[in-house]
Amino acid sequence: DQQVKQNSPSLSVQEGRISILNCDYTNSMFDYFLWYKKYPAEGPTFLISISSIKDKNEDGRFTVFLNKSAKHLSLHIVPSQPGDSAVYFCAASSGANSKLTFGKGITLSVRP
Amino acid sequence: GAGVSQTPSNKVTEKGKYVELRCDPISGHTALYWYRQSLGQGPEFLIYFQGTGAADDSGLPNDRFFAVRPEGSVSTLKIQRTERGDSAMYLCASSLNPADRGRGYTFGSGTRLTVV
Repeated sequence: DQQVKQNSPSLSVQEGRISILNCDYTNSMFDYFLWYKKYPAEGPTFLISISSIKDKNEDGRFTVFLNKSAKHLSLHIVPSQPGDSAVYFCAASSGANSKLTFGKGITLSVRP
Repeated sequence: GAGVSQTPSNKVTEKGKYVELRCDPISGHTALYWYRQSLGQGPEFLIYFQGTGAADDSGLPNDRFFAVRPEGSVSTLKIQRTERGDSAMYLCASSLNPADRGRGYTFGSGTRLTVV
């Protein structure tokens, strides 16, 4: 059973517009949520995180929103740039060892 | 080193053979993780080391898989009697302070294992 779900496999947006990547989870014990970005032939790179005690975290062009009651989070990228084209993974953890449960990922394409 | 180094980058082996995958974490990082990513899936947790000991090996799929980190730095993931279903990208990651869970950890570029 998928505890972290990214239901849309791909997203295409125009350069300069907003990209919204969605993620849902089922495990109420998750208390940290992270987004990773992955380019081909490279390992995932940490992007941004949010604790379950917050509902928003912002870092430059990237903002993550958390809706605990809906068990939903989203990553907003604005403005989107062609270099943002990559696979984005949503991940969640609970407990002290930082073990992560990942979603399947979403492929973002930003058109020039 | 500057990043997490994994060797080899690609490994092709015959079904039934034994393989070893190596991970060299960032210097000073006490926590080390192994994940496996199959095609079209996200990374799946295998094992976590804190120092030399395996603090959580709940993700190892069966007893053909084993990992060691004898000196608290380099780790080796060992797979015995490989099967075609073991074909995947094996990712290693390390972190300085696993208690700081908001920082994420640094992944290597992975080892692509293909069992033929």
